[in-house]
Amino acid sequence: QQQVKQSPQSLIVQKGGISIINCAYENTAFDYFPWYQQFPGKGPALLIAIRPDVSEKKEGRFTISFNKSAKQFSLHIMDSQPGDSATYFCAASMGQGGSEKLVFGKGTKLTVNP
Amino acid sequence: ETGVTQTPRHLVMGMTNKKSLKCEQHLGHNAMYWYKQSAKKPLELMFVYSLEERVENNSVPSRFSPECPNSSHLFLHLHTLQPEDSALYLCASSQVGRLGSGANVLTFGAGSRLTVL
Repeated sequence: QQQVKQSPQSLIVQKGGISIINCAYENTAFDYFPWYQQFPGKGPALLIAIRPDVSEKKEGRFTISFNKSAKQFSLHIMDSQPGDSATYFCAASMGQGGSEKLVFGKGTKLTVNP
Repeated sequence: ETGVTQTPRHLVMGMTNKKSLKCEQHLGHNAMYWYKQSAKKPLELMFVYSLEERVENNSVPSRFSPECPNSSHLFLHLHTLQPEDSALYLCASSQVGRLGSGANVLTFGAGSRLTVL
């Protein structure tokens, strides 16, 4: 119940295309859903996050879509660029913060071909 | 120096060695964490020092021992490791409110790549 299931494991997209990464969770107590981006040789960095009171959040080319009833959320990268090639992790946390309650997905390695 | 700095970036050790990983954060955060990153697995939280309290994942073997002398420094002491402990060890920090904000943003270091022979 504490897991966050992420798919696909890897994704190859052409430059200018749309990249879509999906995550699903079971625990309805989760109330904060961040996405982290990790480049090779670097640590993960917060990319964008959403709370369940909204169905969508957009920041530039990156959009989170959230479906509370389906317990699913996804990351959409519009006009994907080679510089977006990285590993993306979805995560979920609940309650009063504190990352002891932050649960990560297994990650998706995105490759954007020029 | 800014952000979260980890040293060494790469470490190769034998199973009988004792070594330590070091982490330093320059963000004024009040919580620090050790994560283990293995291929095709979720990031695994190992230890948390938050608001002067230590929280640990009970599944972490005792051959890993954390130390947090102050809010800016964090160590992971390694002793008689196994080859399956080879992984990227990530340090992170965050600012946690006593009443909680529900949005704990982690700032990660670049990691220490550990290889156990």
